[in-house]
Amino acid sequence: DAKTTQPTSMDCAEGRAANLPCNHSTISGNEYVYWYRQIHSQGPQYIIHGLKNNETNEMASLIITEDRKSSTLILPHATLRDTAVYYCIVRVVYNQGGKLIFGQGTELSVKP
Amino acid sequence: EAGVVQSPRYKIIEKKQPVAFWCNPISGHNTLYWYLQNLGQGPELLIRYENEEAVDDSQLPKDRFSAERLKGVDSTLKIQPAELGDSAVYLCASSLVEHTEAFFGQGTRLTVV
Repeated sequence: DAKTTQPTSMDCAEGRAANLPCNHSTISGNEYVYWYRQIHSQGPQYIIHGLKNNETNEMASLIITEDRKSSTLILPHATLRDTAVYYCIVRVVYNQGGKLIFGQGTELSVKP
Repeated sequence: EAGVVQSPRYKIIEKKQPVAFWCNPISGHNTLYWYLQNLGQGPELLIRYENEEAVDDSQLPKDRFSAERLKGVDSTLKIQPAELGDSAVYLCASSLVEHTEAFFGQGTRLTVV
């Protein structure tokens, strides 16, 4: 299973873009990059995922490097509610579905 | 539409006692996961079901943990007997087989004293 490396913590000013990096240098060609976040005392929440191309949805943008060895999650206008632990996950697909393997994540603190 | 529902939300038991957690996944979701999350750590997969079949239980400590998913809908995770080290949050998640997004419940916080 490909492993991911994320900074332990980051700060971001409210209203500014939050850029959360993730290294996954051993990713295989058919493995997707997923991002989840976990707000205190809640279950993880899906944010976005991608394979090769950059992706954008209503929550965030995902930028994957051409060699796919790293990616960046971008929250374009961070709010205090975005304070959470953000997990970058490489999804192992097998059998009929897939397995999400969580790492330590990045604790993002959005400050006023 | 209701999300993944777990109960109880909190549970305190004495060591060596049994405990059970219940999970009701999102309607129509064939895949169900149980995760364990220790304080300050990311969730760790315990078991994954596809309908009523446990397709991955390699991380489930089978000497004391058991799980079932009757009729491929609700699921129960049991610990018997509980140990102090079992204190953690137990998370349930579900997803459609064809889809990749897993939805998580709020979890059950277990404290073993």
